[in-house]
Amino acid sequence: GQNIDQPTEMTATEGAIVQINCTYQTSGFNGLFWYQQHAGEAPTFLSYNVLDGLEEKGRFSSFLSRSKGYSYLLLKELQMKDSASYLCAVRDPLTGANNLFFGTGTRLTVIP
Amino acid sequence: DVKVTQSSRYLVKRTGEKVFLECVQDMDHENMFWYRQDPGLGLRLIYFSYDVKMKEKGDIPEGYSVSREKKERFSLILESASTNQTSMYLCASTSQINEKLFFGSGTQLSVL
Repeated sequence: GQNIDQPTEMTATEGAIVQINCTYQTSGFNGLFWYQQHAGEAPTFLSYNVLDGLEEKGRFSSFLSRSKGYSYLLLKELQMKDSASYLCAVRDPLTGANNLFFGTGTRLTVIP
Repeated sequence: DVKVTQSSRYLVKRTGEKVFLECVQDMDHENMFWYRQDPGLGLRLIYFSYDVKMKEKGDIPEGYSVSREKKERFSLILESASTNQTSMYLCASTSQINEKLFFGSGTQLSVL
């Protein structure tokens, strides 16, 4: 089976740094994704990790530890527009074509 | 840019009606997916397709069927809509070699 856990809600201040954690237990593993979803909109791709370590992309970074079944998304220099849900998803190659299993998402609220 | 288009943004149907949700992608992607998204449950996979006329059940296929007669089009069918099928429905696509899913903007379906 697949189980992906992430906090339900987080609040952070504009200009600060926030870390959103994700832990997973899946039958197989072939990559972990982070998506951003603004209210009422489609999820959009943020990052992809398949090897251990940190991937940096501008203000956003994502970290993966496969041995621990753990990832985090780091958002720096927070802006009001970063208020959104952040979805962690794991690709399990044992379950079919590029299939992703999603966590329930973390709703981030950025306050002034 | 990849475009995934869902035919309706909002849809209201009555219990027992047959409902068709249409999804079209313009990037010649092999794989297409239907998810539903509910508060507190995240995205759950209903069905996916990895080729024309091919389909596979996801985690929650009961009450749904799909059709993929052409590569660019993937339809979700609710044979007899029920109130517990009120949800946001998201279509997505990806190629065999591309890692990320591209999502449509979603259809908010209300079954009364």
